[in-house]
Amino acid sequence: DQQVKQNSPSLSVQEGRISILNCDYTNSMFDYFLWYKKYPAEGPTFLISISSIKDKNEDGRFTVFLNKSAKHLSLHIVPSQPGDSAVYFCAALNTGTASKLTFGTGTRLQVTL
Amino acid sequence: DSGVTQTPKHLITATGQRVTLRCSPRSGDLSVYWYQQSLDQGLQFLIQYYNGEERAKGNILERFSAQQFPDLHSELNLSSLELGDSALYFCASSVSGQGNYGYTFGSGTRLTVV
Repeated sequence: DQQVKQNSPSLSVQEGRISILNCDYTNSMFDYFLWYKKYPAEGPTFLISISSIKDKNEDGRFTVFLNKSAKHLSLHIVPSQPGDSAVYFCAALNTGTASKLTFGTGTRLQVTL
Repeated sequence: DSGVTQTPKHLITATGQRVTLRCSPRSGDLSVYWYQQSLDQGLQFLIQYYNGEERAKGNILERFSAQQFPDLHSELNLSSLELGDSALYFCASSVSGQGNYGYTFGSGTRLTVV
């Protein structure tokens, strides 16, 4: 049972344009969401997070939007840079139970020149 | 360097064998998590330890076991290895219960079973 889904395995975007990565979840008990970025031969690194009490969180070029009613979140990268090319994982947890992070399957972003 | 150290980085072994993967968490972190990433799969949660005690268990096979030692390092033991156990195994650590929900990951151990 995949509770966190990233339905796009890959995405290609031109440098300077906006990258939008999507994530859907099914567990209504999730109340905290994170995005991780992973380069080859490295572990995932934390990028940005959002609590369910918010609908938007921004950090530089990265913005995460949360739509609780649709159980959907998205990561926007503006402007996209070649160094953003990586695999992006969405993750979620229930802070009340301090449960483990549940990850999606990842989206491979390729930013082209 | 994330502060989470995993050894070895690569491991090649034969079916039926047993291996031990080691993880040293970031200084100050009490929780250790083990995840498995198979080809084209997401990160599958295996098991969590908090300050030496098992806290949560995921889809961990009975052939796999783990422990966290008093110095907080953790080991993941994989036995009777099968070809399908070939994967990247990640360890992550966190400071649980202090409002910080993010994990810090190590660079992983790539296990190849031949």
